[in-house]
Amino acid sequence: EPEVTQTPSHQVTQMGQEVILRCVPISNHLYFYWYRQILGQKVEFLVSFYNNEISEKSEIFDDQFSVERPDGSNFTLKIRSTKLEDSAMYFCASRDRTGLGQPQHFGDGTRLSIL
Amino acid sequence: DAKTTQPNSMESNEEEPVHLPCNHSTISGTDYIHWYRQLPSQGPEYVIHGLTSNVNNRMASLAIAEDRKSSTLILHRATLRDAAVYYCILRDPNNDMRFGAGTRLTVKP
Repeated sequence: EPEVTQTPSHQVTQMGQEVILRCVPISNHLYFYWYRQILGQKVEFLVSFYNNEISEKSEIFDDQFSVERPDGSNFTLKIRSTKLEDSAMYFCASRDRTGLGQPQHFGDGTRLSIL
Repeated sequence: DAKTTQPNSMESNEEEPVHLPCNHSTISGTDYIHWYRQLPSQGPEYVIHGLTSNVNNRMASLAIAEDRKSSTLILHRATLRDAAVYYCILRDPNNDMRFGAGTRLTVKP
């Protein structure tokens, strides 16, 4: 069964450094998402992306965050200058265009640790 | 997304059925009812979704009240691998999903 893959599984970065989290969505999907989950808290929506542009973003997704689909397979989340509070699990998800109410398929996440 | 209300936690015995309730009294006519679960150290996993009629798949069944103000996820025979946080989410097809706190299901051997 096709799946969403995320790399790396764990990223350790010094505060203030830039970090790029990578995702390979399911190949025929057209909607892409990033979520984060701080340890012990709920899953929080960050951003959705369709047709090479952001569809919706939450208040968490400020100017320090950006997303890109640099080629036909990858979907990336960049944090320009990381802060301690960016430490969290980051999940990528994708969805097929067809069908109302279609589910999102999630990767297993990247654990981001900011030192 | 409209709000949902779920119990914080539930317990079940292995190999017994589990009924996970969800209240969504402010549901609109176009909202789909989605259920996801999150196993320890994994990303959320789609379980099932429906609009008005009850739904069955290989993982679970979804029973939707006639007025659509509540729904129940049914695991017919709980296993230890079903221990997870279960999320009930209302989703307008045009909007993105918002997760609540969910129900933490513990399965006892």
